[in-house]
Amino acid sequence: GAGVSQSPSNKVTEKGKDVELRCDPISGHTALYWYRQSLGQGLEFLIYFQGNSAPDKSGLPSDRFSAERTGGSVSTLTIQRTQQEDSAVYLCASSLSLSLGIYEQYFGPGTRLTVT
Amino acid sequence: AQTVTQSQPEMSVQEAETVTLSCTYDTSESDYYLFWYKQPPSRQMILVIRQEAYKQQNATENRFSVNFQKAAKSFSLKISDSQLGDAAMYFCAYRRGSNYQLIWGAGTKLIIKP
Repeated sequence: GAGVSQSPSNKVTEKGKDVELRCDPISGHTALYWYRQSLGQGLEFLIYFQGNSAPDKSGLPSDRFSAERTGGSVSTLTIQRTQQEDSAVYLCASSLSLSLGIYEQYFGPGTRLTVT
Repeated sequence: AQTVTQSQPEMSVQEAETVTLSCTYDTSESDYYLFWYKQPPSRQMILVIRQEAYKQQNATENRFSVNFQKAAKSFSLKISDSQLGDAAMYFCAYRRGSNYQLIWGAGTKLIIKP
């Protein structure tokens, strides 16, 4: 079946503009995660969804970052008034329900965001 | 707080030889999982192998195996018969058993010499 997909693959934006990053999880996966990977770094957790709700938003770096998920499927990560330090690869992952115990995270190819 | 450390920023190995990537972690939990992920230039993070902390037997997946030393909090990845397609960033990750959140190491860049 199809894996996790993300769009756009690459995004270049001017400082101060808003951007939306999209994630389509694997069908049937109820949990969805967003991570940020800065150049040469490991992954930084941003937020996760169980269904449409986000129990943990503690990783969002500032109030310029927000995310939503609709219909238990597609998720959008929005960054308002982008700054140069927002430049990074944004990775999305999905997994089966947390309640099932074994919940491998499957990753998408990421969106490379460049803020000029 | 849990931490994951990969002390080798870069490793290189001759094609067909064996290489070991190091990972140590710090936790006071007894129930947890450890993972190795591979990230090729395509950026997609791919699960290579995982280990449940309660299992004494080291996990193996084809040419990939781990040396899990629970007391030492060490979780190294051995790649046998290295192939050009193994060239990638390798990340070690930890997850507490009851939690969803993955804690990541900084990664090791693996270079395969033909």
